Amino acid sequence: NAGVTQTPKFRVLKTGQSMTLLCAQDMNHEYMYWYRQDPGMGLRLIHYSVGEGTTAKGEVPDGYNVSRLKKQNFLLGLESAAPSQTSVYFCASSYSRPSTDTQYFGPGTRLTVL
Amino acid sequence: GQQVMQIPQYQHVQEGEDFTTYCNSSTTLSNIQWYKQRPGGHPVFLIQLVKSGEVKKQKRLTFQFGEAKKNSSLHITATQTTDVGTYFCAGNSGGSNYKLTFGKGTLLTVNP
Repeated sequence: NAGVTQTPKFRVLKTGQSMTLLCAQDMNHEYMYWYRQDPGMGLRLIHYSVGEGTTAKGEVPDGYNVSRLKKQNFLLGLESAAPSQTSVYFCASSYSRPSTDTQYFGPGTRLTVL
Repeated sequence: GQQVMQIPQYQHVQEGEDFTTYCNSSTTLSNIQWYKQRPGGHPVFLIQLVKSGEVKKQKRLTFQFGEAKKNSSLHITATQTTDVGTYFCAGNSGGSNYKLTFGKGTLLTVNP
């Protein structure tokens, strides 16, 4: 099992460019999450999904969109990147809801927006 | 919304000293989870606490969940250099809440 994988590992964008971050999990998990991590801010939830075809907003959703067309994949899109979106992005997945189950994190994507 | 505060933000210890990080929630939690993130790595699950007053141990690590289920602590006895990293608590209020709210973490550095 590869667990949770993220593509790409690093990316540099110019302001206004768009990109998609891909998260894939091979554990047949229902729940998937996108977080961003900034120095001193901990992990903040951007969007999450409780199953294939569903998405919901987290704590900091502005400027991001997501899609969960397949159960194993969760895509995070930036339509018009801004320097404030420079961050490390982590995808996570879990079999069940957070009240009962642990989250498994991917290795992260380090994004710099110039 | 739910807030989870974690202190201290940083802790530097000599190898062999003990270490404790504290977590406080603004609301009653259904459960609390602890994660460790090594420098340059990703968060890795350590443990979950569910019951009021629960205490769990993993070798030198002791985790506690408060009686009111609003606070928690992680204590490491006799730290080692392998303990270096950021420790996060994360709480969930249960029910239809599908989100974990993470504390900002405590960065532990250990001087050999």
